[in-house]
Amino acid sequence: GAVVSQHPSRVICKSGTSVKIECRSLDFQATTMFWYRQFPKQSLMLMATSNEGSKATYEQGVEKDKFLINHASLTLSTLTVTSAHPEDSSFYICSARDHPGYTFGSGTRLTVV
Amino acid sequence: GESVGLHLPTLSVQEGDNSIINCAYSNSASDYFIWYKQESGKGPQFIIDIRSNMDKRQGQRVTVLLNKTVKHLSLQIAATQPGDSAVYFCAERLTDKLIFGTGTRLQVFP
Repeated sequence: GAVVSQHPSRVICKSGTSVKIECRSLDFQATTMFWYRQFPKQSLMLMATSNEGSKATYEQGVEKDKFLINHASLTLSTLTVTSAHPEDSSFYICSARDHPGYTFGSGTRLTVV
Repeated sequence: GESVGLHLPTLSVQEGDNSIINCAYSNSASDYFIWYKQESGKGPQFIIDIRSNMDKRQGQRVTVLLNKTVKHLSLQIAATQPGDSAVYFCAERLTDKLIFGTGTRLQVFP
């Protein structure tokens, strides 16, 4: 079946620095990928839709300048958390559309100290 | 029994019993629904899906029921096993985006 690889699985960074998370579709091409954020004991909240070769579409309330998304190829989308702060600490998960369903990465636990 | 925690309702069942997890979805225009299982520290894992033109679909030990009139989904797990312990989410597809429900924690005790 379809596989989405997400790296890193865990990252700790200092407040004010930037962190990049990668999401790759391993055996299929993904023109559309999605980025979610999940706080402890809560559901997955959609942050943005990443479209290959065009700008990402952000959900209401998500700062596009803080969460930079790049989808330069059909198999790779990246999320960069810029100037990270402790409140950005969360579990970030990507998914790729794999008709008719969606395949998810294993998630990235970001801790900002 | 079922209880509501601070954010995540919990369903506790005995091993071997059947589990029923319920979900209310938001939008009547959603055309496709998926149930996911999420274990701690991992991404969601596909369980079963159903299109909006169906009201029931069965898989191995799992059944999904869809009631569009009241915008309700349920996931039935037969003969629940300890390995079924996880958080379960329903998700609805709306214009290509997948929107997740609140989630239910399933605890299986011997």
